[in-house]
Amino acid sequence: SYELTQPPSVSVSPGQTARITCSGDALPKKYAYWYQQKSGQAPVLVIYEDSKRPSGIPERFSGSTSGTMATLSIIGAQEEDEADYYCYSTDNSGDQRVFGGGTRLTFL
Amino acid sequence: EVQLVESGGGLVKPGGSLRLSCVASGFTFNNAYMNWVRQAPGKGLEWVGRIKTNTEGGTTDYAAPVKGRFTISRDDSKNMLYLQMNSLETEDTALYYCTTLLPIKTTAGSVVACWGQGTPVTVSS
Repeated sequence: SYELTQPPSVSVSPGQTARITCSGDALPKKYAYWYQQKSGQAPVLVIYEDSKRPSGIPERFSGSTSGTMATLSIIGAQEEDEADYYCYSTDNSGDQRVFGGGTRLTFL
Repeated sequence: EVQLVESGGGLVKPGGSLRLSCVASGFTFNNAYMNWVRQAPGKGLEWVGRIKTNTEGGTTDYAAPVKGRFTISRDDSKNMLYLQMNSLETEDTALYYCTTLLPIKTTAGSVVACWGQGTPVTVSS
């Protein structure tokens, strides 16, 4: 079965850049999506189609891909960005839709 | 305002059935692919299944763990999405979210992905 691999945790200092990676064999051909989930809340889409921002998402959130890796960057991270982040994509056939295991972003 | 509201969760015994519902507002429901995503206590997100629009045949896809046991349907006349869950297992215990998952354009013109607040399902004897 298809898998997306994320680091379990990432730490960042306020104002610095946080980078969260997502690795998957189909990412060169399939879009990555990123969701933010704060404690006790429903997820929120922060990046779609690799690098686009939905309405209302701050400009400090950006996405990129290179080969089999997608990256969510938070430039000038703020303590309100502390949350779990999940990538989502499909396998090459489009039949398997999966989330990565999630990455907890914490502040130093 | 874009909104998804789930209902129908509860406590059910292993082998039992449950039907979840989700009502949508604030976007053109009949144009949206709709998904169910679940989250077991303390765990990550898990995609459950999807239904395409009725103009595309209302085709459904399911994750392997629920295929053959769960059925997604929609009633565009009521802006409703459903998840029929049969032969429930303890591993199905989770918070179930109704979601567009991918971004859609709302009636107000913004581009967002819509999620409900979830409805809890507990499978236990």
